[in-house]
Amino acid sequence: NAGVMQNPRHLVRRRGQEARLRCSPMKGHSHVYWYRQLPEEGLKFMVYLQKENIIDESGMPKERFSAEFPKEGPSILRIQQVVRGDSAAYFCASSPLQGSSNQPQHFGDGTRLSIL
Amino acid sequence: GESVGLHLPTLSVQEGDNSIINCAYSNSASDYFIWYKQESGKGPQFIIDIRSNMDKRQGQRVTVLLNKTVKHLSLQIAATQPGDSAVYFCAENWGAGGTSYGKLTFGQGTILTVHP
Repeated sequence: NAGVMQNPRHLVRRRGQEARLRCSPMKGHSHVYWYRQLPEEGLKFMVYLQKENIIDESGMPKERFSAEFPKEGPSILRIQQVVRGDSAAYFCASSPLQGSSNQPQHFGDGTRLSIL
Repeated sequence: GESVGLHLPTLSVQEGDNSIINCAYSNSASDYFIWYKQESGKGPQFIIDIRSNMDKRQGQRVTVLLNKTVKHLSLQIAATQPGDSAVYFCAENWGAGGTSYGKLTFGQGTILTVHP
């Protein structure tokens, strides 16, 4: 998982607070993906971004969740007014430019979000 | 809806044996498949991928087989080692040109345990 950096690794929030998760893609990668994983389940797609653009947010809850990937800096997944059901591991992945053949998504080690 | 699933949730093998992990997919439009290994507390680690225009692909100690007729994917690990113990996920993707464009749909996962 070297290359995709996520922080913090662990985040504890109380209900109603905001959570901000950061992801820096691998060098040279301009595509970022966010996934959520509940215990003993597979990863579920949330959102796909390129620099300054949201390409596919079909997996994002309609309320409280937002994501951005600014021209400079990491991608941010923001969860407002967190609830206990938001507790999960959130993974970021990156890939090179669209059109590159045989280039899978590479994942970071995730942020474990716990809601008290 | 269409999804990716796994036949066996757990697999136990002896060190040195060969392991076979299976995956069924239902989306006939899927054109790119990836196997990931996930160790406890870490993100998914890329193992091997295969495009829909191929039936077989080999890596170091691993082979992926794709049977499009029955929509089945398998991962074979030769001479399994204790370090191979992890959860293994298959993932599928469909998009223009069969690249890593767009979201991955993950299966539930198979727990592989290798006994010394």
